[in-house]
Amino acid sequence: SQKIEQNSEALNIQEGKTATLTCNYTNYSPAYLQWYRQDPGRGPVFLLLIRENEKEKRKERLKVTFDTTLKQSLFHITASQPADSATYLCALYNQGGKLIFGQGTELSVKP
Amino acid sequence: DTEVTQTPKHLVMGMTNKKSLKCEQHMGHRAMYWYKQKAKKPPELMFVYSYEKLSINESVPSRFSPECPNSSLLNLHLHALQPEDSALYLCASSRSAHDGTYEQYFGPGTRLTVT
Repeated sequence: SQKIEQNSEALNIQEGKTATLTCNYTNYSPAYLQWYRQDPGRGPVFLLLIRENEKEKRKERLKVTFDTTLKQSLFHITASQPADSATYLCALYNQGGKLIFGQGTELSVKP
Repeated sequence: DTEVTQTPKHLVMGMTNKKSLKCEQHMGHRAMYWYKQKAKKPPELMFVYSYEKLSINESVPSRFSPECPNSSLLNLHLHALQPEDSALYLCASSRSAHDGTYEQYFGPGTRLTVT
């Protein structure tokens, strides 16, 4: 069956460190993978999109990698800040043209 | 304007009530979506509209009835809901449906409680 798994439900790190979140998928061959941020009680906010032929994408302190051989995407936040605390969702398009979300990783950055 | 608006923010309804959720976007997007999200879970797709036509219905019970009156508006009509339907209902839009190159813009959601 098709699955998207994010490595942990919760991740706690110290301010200033790099947060690394993992998204693994099985039985998909996505051409694109997206990452969203969601704050409690709010809708998800789009962060980055990476294509299957791109190894890495950067935006300010954010970096996403995409390894179609390992079927994995890594999401990095460098120099993390308490304001980065949120749930981060990876999402990919399946063959039916639907955006399917992983269960999310709740990141907590402590000062 | 990159905003998707949803009204109301909160809604409490009884199991015999009829109510509607509304969603609006003015980004010229031709795809609009309804998602349901339970606590600590990811958004689950309910419906997709492409060019004002329903293109995906994820086997949603008929007590949820979507409507797309025009390219900027999306409604979700609710009738005879069950307590387990209580959730955050999210509307989203994107430039095109079924195209992973386009990100989705989400509204803030309507927190629905069915009593």
